[in-house]
Amino acid sequence: EAGVAQSPRYKIIEKRQSVAFWCNPISGHATLYWYQQILGQGPKLLIQFQNNGVVDDSQLPKDRFSAERLKGVDSTLKIQPAKLEDSAVYLCASSLAPSYEQYFGPGTRLTVT
Amino acid sequence: GESVGLHLPTLSVQEGDNSIINCAYSNSASDYFIWYKQESGKGPQFIIDIRSNMDKRQGQRVTVLLNKTVKHLSLQIAATQPGDSAVYFCAEMLTGTASKLTFGTGTRLQVTL
Repeated sequence: EAGVAQSPRYKIIEKRQSVAFWCNPISGHATLYWYQQILGQGPKLLIQFQNNGVVDDSQLPKDRFSAERLKGVDSTLKIQPAKLEDSAVYLCASSLAPSYEQYFGPGTRLTVT
Repeated sequence: GESVGLHLPTLSVQEGDNSIINCAYSNSASDYFIWYKQESGKGPQFIIDIRSNMDKRQGQRVTVLLNKTVKHLSLQIAATQPGDSAVYFCAEMLTGTASKLTFGTGTRLQVTL
């Protein structure tokens, strides 16, 4: 079974620029998550989708971050404009449903200079 | 690749010894707990889970212990191997509609030969 795919794997941008990340979950997984992992810390949930609807975005900085999951499959996470403190690994995960095992992708490492 | 956590607590064990990694969780209402392993440049990988109605669960070479009285979780790895070297995170969840997963601070396990 193919795992969660993410691209790009690495991205370097200057502050105030915009960036987008893409995630393709495991086929059949209804729930999709985006996490931010700052170096030295555990992943922090940014947003959770159930099919194409948002279940939880309470920790998403909505003034600069946005995410969508059109058609309930792939998802994109965007940052505009980026700040230095956004430097982190952005992880996408998927599960069959909430409370089921989450499978993580390899992440996108973002460096904001 | 760059390390997942450069300043995490580190546990150093010799190959063949048993490892015990501890974790304190925060929400006394959490009813589901998971241990993840994260290698450098990869997303977290599920190791073992336990529900709050249990206090011990065993897998292949791994055992998780749950003490709800003091909100403590531990992961025991038997006969530790070099391939076990990674950062280990515990995570807690209050299952329900959203079932948000909250990660703790990680521990780096270094296996020496």
